[in-house]
Amino acid sequence: GQSLEQPSEVTAVEGAIVQINCTYQTSGFYGLSWYQQHDGGAPTFLSYNALDGLEETGRFSSFLSRSDSYGYLLLQELQMKDSASYFCAVRSTGGGGGNKLTFGTGTQLKVEL
Amino acid sequence: NAGVTQTPKFRILKIGQSMTLQCTQDMNHNYMYWYRQDPGMGLKLIYYSVGAGITDKGEVPNGYNVSRSTTEDFPLRLELAAPSQTSVYFCASKPPPGQPDSYGYTFGSGTRLTVV
Repeated sequence: GQSLEQPSEVTAVEGAIVQINCTYQTSGFYGLSWYQQHDGGAPTFLSYNALDGLEETGRFSSFLSRSDSYGYLLLQELQMKDSASYFCAVRSTGGGGGNKLTFGTGTQLKVEL
Repeated sequence: NAGVTQTPKFRILKIGQSMTLQCTQDMNHNYMYWYRQDPGMGLKLIYYSVGAGITDKGEVPNGYNVSRSTTEDFPLRLELAAPSQTSVYFCASKPPPGQPDSYGYTFGSGTRLTVV
């Protein structure tokens, strides 16, 4: 089976940098994704890492180490609107689709003034 | 371009009733998914489809059925609703591998279902 672990809650101040870690156990690993979800809203796609290293998209960066089964999401210049839940998700082989996405339980980020 | 549209947004069912959650996408995506999200938890895959006429079970398929007669529509059927099916249901879609933006799922706004 698959399992993902991430912290349940992280608090940071506006303008700061925060890192949300994710460790995973899976077979047939393809890559690691990150999604943002505001209260009651639809999850929105942030990033995807298939290879080791850092991917940068504006204020957000995502890192993957396949050998350590570990990744993180880095949020810079935090804004109040970044307060949300952040989910890591493993893309792996599954059935005939080969694109099964398994989600972690999410990290609630609270940005304070 | 509406993306992924789910209806209804809210529903209260009595135990034993049945209903269909509708999901439509207008992005010509082959891959479609149904997830459920319980309070404070991640999303769990119920069923998925890689194209019209092809469906497969996810992690938690018991109590649900799906069909995929067209590329656009992927309805989820609940038969004999139970309190354990109280959840928020999200439909999602993505292009097949190899196409632009094929790694990111586009989610609908969800259906909040309560079974009493």
